[in-house]
Amino acid sequence: SYELTQPDSVSVSPGETARITCSGDSLPKQYAYWFQQKAGQAPILIIYKDTERPSGIPERFSGSSSGTTVTLTISGVQAEDEADYYCQSADSNSSLEVFGGGTHLTVL
Amino acid sequence: EMQLVESGGGFVQPGGSLRLSCEASGVTFFNYWMSWVRQGPGKGLEWVANINEDGSEMFYADSVKGRFTISRDSAKKSIYLEMDSLRVEDTAVYYCSKGDKWGQGTLVAVSS
Repeated sequence: SYELTQPDSVSVSPGETARITCSGDSLPKQYAYWFQQKAGQAPILIIYKDTERPSGIPERFSGSSSGTTVTLTISGVQAEDEADYYCQSADSNSSLEVFGGGTHLTVL
Repeated sequence: EMQLVESGGGFVQPGGSLRLSCEASGVTFFNYWMSWVRQGPGKGLEWVANINEDGSEMFYADSVKGRFTISRDSAKKSIYLEMDSLRVEDTAVYYCSKGDKWGQGTLVAVSS
């Protein structure tokens, strides 16, 4: 079955830039979406269609795509950004959706 | 602003059934693709199923295909997840999602 691969964890100091990658064979053909989930809360959409940011999401969150990898970049990380981040996309063969395993961002 | 509220979760024995509901409020029309996503205890998000705007197309994760059924009633601005032959590994918080909007989830616990 189709899989999206993310690092288990990323650690940065406040003010630094965090980059979280997501790899999958169908990513050149299917959009990726990024969700932020804080402990005990429902996920929030922070990036859609690879690079678009919903209204209300801070500009420090951005998305990019290159081949089979998409990247979530958080510039000037703040303590409040500590959370789990998930990418989501679809298998281009089956159209079934899938989430990456999630990346825990620690702000040191 | 659209809000999604799930209900129907609870405790059930292996092999049992449950029906989850998700009702949308704050919208005039309800013509969106909708999904169910679950999260097991201490685990990541797992997509479960989705349904198109008019209910004519449904897709399921391999882990639930043949046991779960997604449906919708647009007049009631609701979607449903009928869960049969439940297994211990189906224990999770189940979220209703439009992608940019999520409910707060409802807990399903399968245990003997």
